[in-house]
Amino acid sequence: LAKTTQPISMDSYEGQEVNITCSHNNIATNDYITWYQQFPSQGPRFIIQGYKTKVTNEVASLFIPADRKSSTLSLPRVSLSDTAVYYCLVGDRKAAGNKLTFGGGTRVLVKP
Amino acid sequence: EPEVTQTPSHQVTQMGQEVILRCVPISNHLYFYWYRQILGQKVEFLVSFYNNEISEKSEIFDDQFSVERPDGSNFTLKIRSTKLEDSAMYFCASREEGPADTQYFGPGTRLTVL
Repeated sequence: LAKTTQPISMDSYEGQEVNITCSHNNIATNDYITWYQQFPSQGPRFIIQGYKTKVTNEVASLFIPADRKSSTLSLPRVSLSDTAVYYCLVGDRKAAGNKLTFGGGTRVLVKP
Repeated sequence: EPEVTQTPSHQVTQMGQEVILRCVPISNHLYFYWYRQILGQKVEFLVSFYNNEISEKSEIFDDQFSVERPDGSNFTLKIRSTKLEDSAMYFCASREEGPADTQYFGPGTRLTVL
C-alpha cells in the first residue's frame, strides 16, 4: 500500500483557491489517487479520483504529474463551508475487498 | 440522491453491555463496510462484507465484534461486551460493483461507553 504524505493543516480565505499536495513516492502502476472530504461529525465523502494528468468535476480539480509521485487537489474559490479535513488515498481500485486506508488528512480552515 | 443511513445517531452504554449499530446501505450496493474514528484520530477500517460473508477484517475487529445482514436492507455491527476504548464514531459505508474506492459513507453513530 503506497504511503501518502500531506500537510497537516492549511488556512485560507473565502474566494481563494486552495491547493493541497499529497506525496506518494511508492505509488504502484495499478494505483489510483482518490480524495475524500470529511466535515466535523460526518462520514468521509468522495470528492475526486484520477490516474494521471488532470481530472475536473463540479467540486474540484486533481492534477497528477507524469511521474505520479504526487498529486494536487485544487479547490476553486473556497467558501466557509469548505472547512473540512481532506484525505488523499492511493490504492488499486480493483483489489478485492478494498478497505480504504485513511491517513491524518489535511485540515483546511477557510476564514471570512 | 440515495444515501447511507445509520441509527442511532448517538448511543450511550455501560461498559460490558452489548450494542448493535444499524446501517441501511444504498439499495443497489453489494459491498458493505464498517469504519470507526476515535475522537481526534484517523478513520480506521474494521470490516468489509460481500455476498453475505466477511471479506476482510482488521486487527481491531476481534471476537467481540460481529456483522450481519439480517435482511435485504440492513447491515449491523454488534459489539458484544463494550469497553471504554470502543467509544468512537462508527461509520458504515457501501459501494456498488466497480471502482472500489468510491465508497459512500453514512453520517455515523457516536458510541459512548461509560
